[in-house]
Amino acid sequence: NFMLTQPHSVSESPGETVTISCTRSSGSIASNSVQWYQQRPGSAPTTMIYENDQRPSGVPYRFSGSIDSSSNSASLTISGLKTEDEADYYCQSYDSTKPHVIFGGGTKLTVL
Amino acid sequence: QVQLVESGGGVVQPGRSLRLSCAASGFTFSSYSMHWVRQAPGKGLEWVAVILNDGSNQYYADSMKGRFTISRDNSRKTLYLQMNSLRAEDTAVYYCARDSRGYSWGQGTLVTVSS
Repeated sequence: NFMLTQPHSVSESPGETVTISCTRSSGSIASNSVQWYQQRPGSAPTTMIYENDQRPSGVPYRFSGSIDSSSNSASLTISGLKTEDEADYYCQSYDSTKPHVIFGGGTKLTVL
Repeated sequence: QVQLVESGGGVVQPGRSLRLSCAASGFTFSSYSMHWVRQAPGKGLEWVAVILNDGSNQYYADSMKGRFTISRDNSRKTLYLQMNSLRAEDTAVYYCARDSRGYSWGQGTLVTVSS
């Protein structure tokens, strides 16, 4: 299995832009789609981005996803930060050789 | 609207078994692969298993293979997770999830393995 590595925590001020990275340890990041989930304390996760850069209906345009083959990583960018964006964020992809689902370790976003 | 409702969690002694259920509604259950994902207290998400839409194949995380069994009853629109030989490290909230354009998640059910 490959691993997805995320920063443990990030912090930024309201109104600013933050980017959370998700680096794949082996194999190409473009080989399998990447999803991003938001989890607020005490709640189940919700999908913020699917298939690398697609936003489910109801997710604000402030949330965007991308992949970068040069760094073999995916990114979640949140612009115009709001205090309500404070949560844990997880990236997820697939290991099609098994097939298995792989989650990143999660990033705690603090908006202060 | 997709609804997934897990049940069957609780406190169980080490070495014992437990079966979780997930009742699905709001979509054609038999058309989708279904997953179990767990989250230990204060920890991240951990994928457990997947079963294909017709139940023909199941795949498991290496750490759970041989102890956990995922199954489904498409006529009842219900997903199951049979957990045997439970250990303290299996203590977690267990979520069922539908995989389509990202996961749709249930609210989770807490399993506590403790003597």
